[in-house]
Amino acid sequence: GIQVEQSPPDLILQEGANSTLRCNFSDSVNNLQWFHQNPWGQLINLFYIPSGTKQNGRLSATTVATERYSLLYISSSQTTDSGVYFCAVVGGGGADGLTFGKGTHLIIQP
Amino acid sequence: EADIYQTPRYLVIGTGKKITLECSQTMGHDKMYWYQQDPGMELHLIHYSYGVNSTEKGDLSSESTVSRIRTEHFPLTLESARPSHTSQYLCASSELDSGEETQYFGPGTRLLVL
Repeated sequence: GIQVEQSPPDLILQEGANSTLRCNFSDSVNNLQWFHQNPWGQLINLFYIPSGTKQNGRLSATTVATERYSLLYISSSQTTDSGVYFCAVVGGGGADGLTFGKGTHLIIQP
Repeated sequence: EADIYQTPRYLVIGTGKKITLECSQTMGHDKMYWYQQDPGMELHLIHYSYGVNSTEKGDLSSESTVSRIRTEHFPLTLESARPSHTSQYLCASSELDSGEETQYFGPGTRLLVL
């Protein structure tokens, strides 16, 4: 099946800093989503982005499907941005369920 | 955003008990999914459904079973709970809309089997 690798696995930043999270995937995808999992375990949709660029406030994402990677940018980090960020994909030939990467654990210090 | 509800949110139960985790969505989505997530780990697909009377096993082998009798309801059952079933279980749903198929997740059920 399709493989999803996220980097870095852990990231500690000061409030106000910018960050870039990366997601590499091993095959063509029909779906790519970025999620933020909060400390209570809730998965919050950030972007549906199998290709192209999207922005939502301080967050933006870019997926280059031909090179099989996606980037999530967080600008002017706030402590509430802390948590785990997951990239998840649906491969071109598989079932519609998402395959998740192992996530990036982000800690924003005040 | 889809409205997806899961009950119970937390469950502590003894070995050998039968349990059913409930999942309901109010958006009329045809596709629904169950994922399992161990602490500090990624999610793995264990079951999915394309609609009423459709159920399929996911990538991760699971001793649980599911049913889809109504569009809005996708319960997961463990006939005999074991400590190895201790995990978080998350339900999701999706539907193709304007070329995009976003999966929306419920709040999850944290299961502890003693």
